[in-house]
Amino acid sequence: GDSVTQMEGPVTLSEEAFLTINCTYTATGYPSLFWYVQYPGEGLQLLLKATKADDKGSNKGFEATYRKETTSFHLEKGSVQVSDSAVYFCALSQMNTGFQKLVFGTGTRLLVSP
Amino acid sequence: NAGVTQTPKFRVLKTGQSMTLLCAQDMNHEYMYWYRQDPGMGLRLIHYSVGEGTTAKGEVPDGYNVSRLKKQNFLLGLESAAPSQTSVYFCASTPAGANYGYTFGSGTRLTVV
Repeated sequence: GDSVTQMEGPVTLSEEAFLTINCTYTATGYPSLFWYVQYPGEGLQLLLKATKADDKGSNKGFEATYRKETTSFHLEKGSVQVSDSAVYFCALSQMNTGFQKLVFGTGTRLLVSP
Repeated sequence: NAGVTQTPKFRVLKTGQSMTLLCAQDMNHEYMYWYRQDPGMGLRLIHYSVGEGTTAKGEVPDGYNVSRLKKQNFLLGLESAAPSQTSVYFCASTPAGANYGYTFGSGTRLTVV
């Protein structure tokens, strides 16, 4: 079945450092790919998405490019802030029998220090 | 505020007790979902619904029941709580037919002692 693999955390960075969180997937066909962010004590929020190969999703300085050839959707940010400390989830979806089902990775915790 | 509202936010149950978690959304979404989140396990789908009056099992349905009598509400029931059901529960919803991603509630933290 479909699956998503994320790098284990925590990822610990200093403010203004460059961030990469790796995400690879296994799926048939052409899934849509998502990054969600979960701040402490809150639910998940959609951060960005890409629906076809070579698409780049971006939001709040974060970017991820849908790479079909490497089945990857790595999350990047050029300069992280303390407020970016959160858990980041990579996910994919495929239309199957008329509903949308999201398959999540296990999440990567990011800790940014001043 | 528009979105997905979960009640209660916190609950402690004794083993064998029952309870119902309520999820309400005001976005007229067709699809609704219940997930549980456990450390190191990510999110796992318990049950979902593609419309009023319809429900289906996800990957970890045992010990839970659901109902969707109204389009805006999706209830998750625990008939006889077990310590293994200690978790954070999230409800989510999305419109039908397009990859908009989910809107999540803020979660219910349940502890079974």
